[in-house]
Amino acid sequence: AQSVAQPEDQVNVAEGNPLTVKCTYSVSGNPYLFWYVQYPNRGLQFLLKYITGDNLVKGSYGFEAEFNKSQTSFHLKKPSALVSDSALYFCAVSPLKAAGNKLTFGGGTRVLVKP
Amino acid sequence: GAVVSQHPSWVICKSGTSVKIECRSLDFQATTMFWYRQFPKQSLMLMATSNEGSKATYEQGVEKDKFLINHASLTLSTLTVTSAHPEDSSFYICSARPRVKDTDTQYFGPGTRLTVL
Repeated sequence: AQSVAQPEDQVNVAEGNPLTVKCTYSVSGNPYLFWYVQYPNRGLQFLLKYITGDNLVKGSYGFEAEFNKSQTSFHLKKPSALVSDSALYFCAVSPLKAAGNKLTFGGGTRVLVKP
Repeated sequence: GAVVSQHPSWVICKSGTSVKIECRSLDFQATTMFWYRQFPKQSLMLMATSNEGSKATYEQGVEKDKFLINHASLTLSTLTVTSAHPEDSSFYICSARPRVKDTDTQYFGPGTRLTVL
């Protein structure tokens, strides 16, 4: 069975400082990894994904994530956080395509960027 | 591109009534749609996978007679909560996977908040 862990319920960061949201995963075989962001009372917006290729993935709104196979991690990063980045962030994993692309989500990390 | 809509965005109903929620992919065809449930301050829990033209596959613990799913076309899936009770109150979110070779990304709708009185 696949699983995702987001060890921090909340991350506080000052505007302009680097932002990191942690994610570790467990899956059989090669993982497909995703980051989504959710604003209050809204659905999820796709940020980025890792399928194959370069371990550093660049996504929307200046976010990037680094796939580390040995540490089974896929941490989300942004060099300079904005107040508007305050939201709920979800990491998700999917196994090989044959499994029907079922996503397993982490518990979510709330990011609060203070001016 | 890859926009998914849900209707209604919120609904309040009386206990014992049924509620239908629509999920539409607006600018792409989706062979597969997913229905999730999210409780306050919690993550998304997959309820079922909906495939166009076939019966939905439900996750363990989800009552298929309670949560009826129909995937009538490549752009529309519906979730009907039958005989709703207050414990069914939740935020229901759908997602759709484009009918394009080698795509692995699900695109999510804005969610429907259901309140059962």
